[in-house]
Amino acid sequence: AQKVTQAQTEISVVEKEDVTLDCVYETRDTTYYLFWYKQPPSGELVFLIRRNSFDEQNEISGRYSWNFQKSTSSFNFTITASQVVDSAVYFCALSEALDQAGTALIFGKGTTLSVSS
Amino acid sequence: NAGVTQTPKFRVLKTGQSMTLLCAQDMNHEYMYWYRQDPGMGLRLIHYSVGEGTTAKGEVPDGYNVSRLKKQNFLLGLESAAPSQTSVYFCASSYRGNPYEQYFGPGTRLTVT
Repeated sequence: AQKVTQAQTEISVVEKEDVTLDCVYETRDTTYYLFWYKQPPSGELVFLIRRNSFDEQNEISGRYSWNFQKSTSSFNFTITASQVVDSAVYFCALSEALDQAGTALIFGKGTTLSVSS
Repeated sequence: NAGVTQTPKFRVLKTGQSMTLLCAQDMNHEYMYWYRQDPGMGLRLIHYSVGEGTTAKGEVPDGYNVSRLKKQNFLLGLESAAPSQTSVYFCASSYRGNPYEQYFGPGTRLTVT
């Protein structure tokens, strides 16, 4: 069965520290997508990244970077020089094809990141 | 272009009451989804629709019904609300040609007392 595990429930760091959020997934599909979403205290879901299973290149976007390793079924997310505004719940998600059509997203339980000044 | 909107944003129900949550999208997306998010959990799929007039069950469909009478709207109904349905409900939509790119609404926070 498809599954996403985010083992870190809560992480607390001080501003300017680097922090890595772990994500491990299980899937029976050969083609799939992985995602990271941010959920700030206001509650909306903010899309951060989508990665195709065939593309194992790491990606960097500003202070954010993502490390995708198929060999270990991991898709980790690093925030460099964290800021208070990074405080949020972060979700890793995995695509799953649905019976009729369309795609569901299988979410991990999330990691709550608290950045203090 | 409003994207995906959800009505209402907040609601408090008593056990046994009924209500309908409305999701609307103006992007002409074929696929629409309802998820629920419980404390300490990620989102879980309740029901989905791949087109007007079609719906299907997701992971946690019990206690909910849905309808997709118009392409732009996806309704989620609770016929007899229970405290276990206290949750935040998110709607999402996507193009048939790119189902992996899902656009989420802002969420509806529902409390059942």
